[in-house]
Amino acid sequence: ETGVTQSPTHLIKTRGQQVTLRCSSQSGHNTVSWYQQALGQGPQFIFQYYREEENGRGNFPPRFSGLQFPNYSSELNVNALELDDSALYLCASSTAGVSNYGYTFGSGTRLTVV
Amino acid sequence: AQSVTQLDSQVPVFEEAPVELRCNYSSSVSVYLFWYVQYPNQGLQLLLKYLSGSTLVKGINGFEAEFNKSQTSFHLRKPSVHISDTAEYFCAVTLLRGSTLGRLYFGRGTQLTVWP
Repeated sequence: ETGVTQSPTHLIKTRGQQVTLRCSSQSGHNTVSWYQQALGQGPQFIFQYYREEENGRGNFPPRFSGLQFPNYSSELNVNALELDDSALYLCASSTAGVSNYGYTFGSGTRLTVV
Repeated sequence: AQSVTQLDSQVPVFEEAPVELRCNYSSSVSVYLFWYVQYPNQGLQLLLKYLSGSTLVKGINGFEAEFNKSQTSFHLRKPSVHISDTAEYFCAVTLLRGSTLGRLYFGRGTQLTVWP
């Protein structure tokens, strides 16, 4: 297993800018989810992709969008950044194999909006 | 909708003492339950999971958890903690949607601090 890799690890952006965060999932994991974790909080679900289609979305505005690619990588895009978007963004992948239900998380991207 | 309540935001304990981190969930259907650990400035690491079968689940680092359906609880325990167990612990729940896992619902986390 190669694990889940996220890039970059840290990022500083200015309010109003756009940002793209990247995630490389484990081989064979056809489901990827993105979470936002504000300081001192539990992770909040942004959206989930299954076989390159969005199949679930949390309470986040449309300026949060994503893509999943055939090579198991994915992106999270955030437009018109706001100060409250400052958080740790976590990518998680999974496979639905009966004995392997569960998510593997990456180490996250720490986004700071100034 | 599912929800998770972690009853203690902070749990201080001395090294080699036992510890229990409490987690209750609400759901009208069968769920899958997880405990994750997060060390400072890192992502989430899976400690253990309950999918079905035996209600006592053993995980990594000597942790175990017991699923109690009647009390809708999934408390995490360790008989003797180490300083290295100091971290944030998250309880989470999800459903199986067809052949894929649904979203994870997380609790707010419990900060476990182990003192020498």
